[in-house]
Amino acid sequence: GAVVSQHPSRVICKSGTSVKIECRSLDFQATTMFWYRQFPKQSLMLMATSNEGSKATYEQGVEKDKFLINHASLTLSTLTVTSAHPEDSSFYICSARARGLDQETQYFGPGTRLLVL
Amino acid sequence: SQQGEEDPQALSIQEGENATMNCSYKTSINNLQWYRQNSGRGLVHLILIRSNEREKHSGRLRVTLDTSKKSSSLLITASRAADTASYFCATGYSSASKIIFGSGTRLSIRP
Repeated sequence: GAVVSQHPSRVICKSGTSVKIECRSLDFQATTMFWYRQFPKQSLMLMATSNEGSKATYEQGVEKDKFLINHASLTLSTLTVTSAHPEDSSFYICSARARGLDQETQYFGPGTRLLVL
Repeated sequence: SQQGEEDPQALSIQEGENATMNCSYKTSINNLQWYRQNSGRGLVHLILIRSNEREKHSGRLRVTLDTSKKSSSLLITASRAADTASYFCATGYSSASKIIFGSGTRLSIRP
């Protein structure tokens, strides 16, 4: 149980375009979803926390107008990288905290590798 | 920002040996978790230890927490090739808060 999926698993786009990444909780309702970014051989850096039906809370230094987060339902959150540039190339990982289950545990998606040319 | 620093950054040991990774953090926490990440993949939750606990076991994993020293250790006993991965500690400030990841340890198990 507690499976989180991400789509797409990898995407290549041209500089200046926007890319949307989906994060879905498959067998549970997610009260909170988190978005992380990970550069090669580095740790995960939290970008934002999103609660269903409310605006996302962004970490310091993360541009909310560039990284648009929509948590439209209890099973889906999306991250849109707007006007992507090569420096946005990274591994984006989402996680979800489940309603009713252990509130301390986050369940992670498999990640989306973004390459901006 | 990162809450935790891990050492060593990289560790290479022979299969069958024990591997110990350490995590230090800066501010008071509610819980500390350990995750594993295989190269280019998502994270797998290994174990969670709460601030009022000192030691926890799960299979070949043993985690300790010393809140006075603001440090934790992860011990993997009788290592296997499949244990090759990066290991991260992550600290939580309350039971349902965000978690902040440490810098990670890259573990390689030599056959």
